[in-house]
Amino acid sequence: GNSVTQMEGPVTLSEEAFLTINCTYTATGYPSLFWYVQYPGEGLQLLLKATKADDKGSNKGFEATYRKETTSFHLEKGSVQVSDSAVYFCALSDQGGSEKLVFGKGTKLTVNP
Amino acid sequence: AAGVIQSPRHLIKEKRETATLKCYPIPRHDTVYWYQQGPGQDPQFLISFYEKMQSDKGSIPDRFSAQQFSDYHSELNMSSLELGDSALYFCASSQTSGRMREQYFGPGTRLTVT
Repeated sequence: GNSVTQMEGPVTLSEEAFLTINCTYTATGYPSLFWYVQYPGEGLQLLLKATKADDKGSNKGFEATYRKETTSFHLEKGSVQVSDSAVYFCALSDQGGSEKLVFGKGTKLTVNP
Repeated sequence: AAGVIQSPRHLIKEKRETATLKCYPIPRHDTVYWYQQGPGQDPQFLISFYEKMQSDKGSIPDRFSAQQFSDYHSELNMSSLELGDSALYFCASSQTSGRMREQYFGPGTRLTVT
């Protein structure tokens, strides 16, 4: 079945550091790929998405590129802020059917001032 | 913009009791998904509905049932609650039309079983 593997962390960075959170997937067909963010005590917010190979999703300084050849969707940000501290989930959805989401285990990011 | 509404936000129940969680999707969204997130875990898909019909089923215990009503709101009914049911339950909604059905999540219901 479909699955997502992401760097589990936790990851601790200083403000303005570069962030990479690795995510790879296993899927039949051509899934859509997502990064969701969960702030403490809150629900899941869609951060960015990509629907086909070579698509680049971007939002709030975060970027991820859909790499079909390496089945990856790594999250990057050039300069993190304290407010980026949260748990980040990589996810995929099947194309067709219910398109339910399959999540990775999540990566907790802490950014220190 | 309107978001997904879930109620209650917090619920405390004892073992063997029942619980009902409610979800009100974004207006004009026709699909509802339920996910369960255990402490420190990733969200796991439970069940989904499209136009009031069950469209997919995941790792949902037989003690749980769900339905989507004519106004598109959905309810997750949980019976014979167990300690292991303590989790955050998310509802998400999406709209079928369009190239990709993006799911929007509610704030979740935190269920504690004692």
